[in-house]
Amino acid sequence: QQQVKQSPQSLIVQKGGIPIINCAYENTAFDYFPWYQQFPGKGPALLIAIRPDVSEKKEGRFTISFNKSAKQFSLHIMDSQPGDSATYFCAAGLDSGGYQKVTFGTGTKLQVIP
Amino acid sequence: NAGVTQTPKFQVLKTGQSMTLQCAQDMNHNSMYWYRQDPGMGLRLIYYSASEGTTDKGEVPNGYNVSRLNKREFSLRLESAAPSQTSVYFCASSDRSAFFGQGTRLTVV
Repeated sequence: QQQVKQSPQSLIVQKGGIPIINCAYENTAFDYFPWYQQFPGKGPALLIAIRPDVSEKKEGRFTISFNKSAKQFSLHIMDSQPGDSATYFCAAGLDSGGYQKVTFGTGTKLQVIP
Repeated sequence: NAGVTQTPKFQVLKTGQSMTLQCAQDMNHNSMYWYRQDPGMGLRLIYYSASEGTTDKGEVPNGYNVSRLNKREFSLRLESAAPSQTSVYFCASSDRSAFFGQGTRLTVV
């Protein structure tokens, strides 16, 4: 049972383009939506996160858009650079019993071409 | 700032062998996790520990055991390795967001 669906699986854009990665969730109890960035041979690292009471959050060139009614959220990377080439994971979190259980999407491999 | 440290980084096992993956965090987090990462399947939770002294099964616990040795350390044990356990294993700790180790690439032949 996949609770967080992520698309596309892979994405190629030219430098300066705006890649968009989409995620959809099912459980309306989720209350925390982080995005992770993973470079080859490394562990995922937190990139940006949003809560369901906010429709948009920006941190530098990275923006999360959140649509609570549609149960969808997306990551936009403005002015993308070759250094942004990585795998991106969306996730949905549920505060339960004092700890954070996070369900991950299947990942999007982004390649930014110079 | 060490964060989350995993050992070893690479391991090759023969089918039926056992091994323990070690994980330690220095961020004073209560919660710790073990995930496996397989192509096209994202990160799947194997076991987690909400606090020292407690552990619980995640999405894919079969074939694994864990020990929360103290607040800092959370180990994952494969008692009898199988080729299906070939994967990259990540340990993580969290307050609200998860912080991951560098991973252990395990191959079972």
